[in-house]
Amino acid sequence: EAQVTQNPRYLITVTGKKLTVTCSQNMNHEYMSWYRQDPGLGLRQIYYSMNVEVTDKGDVPEGYKVSRKEKRNFPLILESPSPNQTSLYFCASSLSPGQGPTGELFFGEGSRLTVL
Amino acid sequence: LAKTTQPISMDSYEGQEVNITCSHNNIATNDYITWYQQFPSQGPRFIIQGYKTKVTNEVASLFIPADRKSSTLSLPRVSLSDTAVYYCLVGALGDDKIIFGKGTRLHILP
Repeated sequence: EAQVTQNPRYLITVTGKKLTVTCSQNMNHEYMSWYRQDPGLGLRQIYYSMNVEVTDKGDVPEGYKVSRKEKRNFPLILESPSPNQTSLYFCASSLSPGQGPTGELFFGEGSRLTVL
Repeated sequence: LAKTTQPISMDSYEGQEVNITCSHNNIATNDYITWYQQFPSQGPRFIIQGYKTKVTNEVASLFIPADRKSSTLSLPRVSLSDTAVYYCLVGALGDDKIIFGKGTRLHILP
């Protein structure tokens, strides 16, 4: 089954304790992206990757890192989490970026992160 | 990237047709219009995509006038399960930043 898998789905952590949210897709997609969703703010893009070893900042990259060593994986790293990073995080992938044909984004189920 | 404007929220009743309009005055020649649906605590899901005129699938129809400066997502005979947030996106193949905005919160009443 074609899917984007995120782990963990739920996490409560404390300020400053490094954590990684993993994202894996089994569709051989080139494009992957991370979003965070907060009440009243919609979905905001954190980082995206056009292909292996190619990553770039989205609209809200501060406090986050990513890597794309393999095509299928795109982990989101919070080196020193702070309470303002408490949010619902979504990973997404598509065959090719953008909204044209084949640009459909497939989303994971989300990871709800709470930083105390 | 063309900016989009949608109503923040809409209410409707079961069995009615719902039309959500999205304004995108600065749409570029290569841009497509795509709509996503998001249920609470789930990731957005692709609904429909179009370039011009009308597109229809098993879920919805998308109407795009000749000037392409707006588009209308039409949901026929909605049910309670259509309560969700609907996002209108405009962009071209190759666009790397894909911006969702705040969407339209549709609430279906019994």
